[in-house]
Amino acid sequence: GNSVTQMEGPVTLSEEAFLTINCTYTATGYPSLFWYVQYPGEGLQLLLKATKADDKGSNKGFEATYRKETTSFHLEKGSVQVSDSAVYFCALSGGYNKLIFGAGTRLAVHP
Amino acid sequence: DSGVTQTPKHLITATGQRVTLRCSPRSGDLSVYWYQQSLDQGLQFLIQYYNGEERAKGNILERFSAQQFPDLHSELNLSSLELGDSALYFCASSLTEWWTDTQYFGPGTRLTVL
Repeated sequence: GNSVTQMEGPVTLSEEAFLTINCTYTATGYPSLFWYVQYPGEGLQLLLKATKADDKGSNKGFEATYRKETTSFHLEKGSVQVSDSAVYFCALSGGYNKLIFGAGTRLAVHP
Repeated sequence: DSGVTQTPKHLITATGQRVTLRCSPRSGDLSVYWYQQSLDQGLQFLIQYYNGEERAKGNILERFSAQQFPDLHSELNLSSLELGDSALYFCASSLTEWWTDTQYFGPGTRLTVL
């Protein structure tokens, strides 16, 4: 069945450091791929998405490219801020658009 | 603000009881999804409705049921509650059920079973 694997956290960085959170997936067909972010005490917010191979999603300085050959959708940001501290979830959608999530990666950014 | 509303925000109840969680989707969205977030299981898909019809089921227990009403709001009913049902329950909505559609999440209902 479909599944998502993302790197375990927590990830601790200093402000302005480069961020990479790895995400790989297993799926039949051509799923869409998403990154959601969850700030403390809040629901999930869409960060970015890509719906076909080689698409690059981007938002708020974050980027991820849908790589079918490596079944990956790694999240990157060139310079993180303290306000980026949150839990990041990689997800894929297949039939009927149900989302399958990775375990989540907690990011802590220190000044 | 995603436009998806959920009530109540918090719910504390006892084992064996029954509760109802309510969700109002974004204006115009026809599809509603329910997810459970717990420390041991992570985020898991429970069930999906599209324009009043059940379309997909995930890891939803038989003690749980849901429905989507003609005005498109949805309710998730949890009965014979157990300690392990304590979790954050999210509702999400999307315009259609296409896998390319973005799902917008509500703020969640935190259920505590004592």
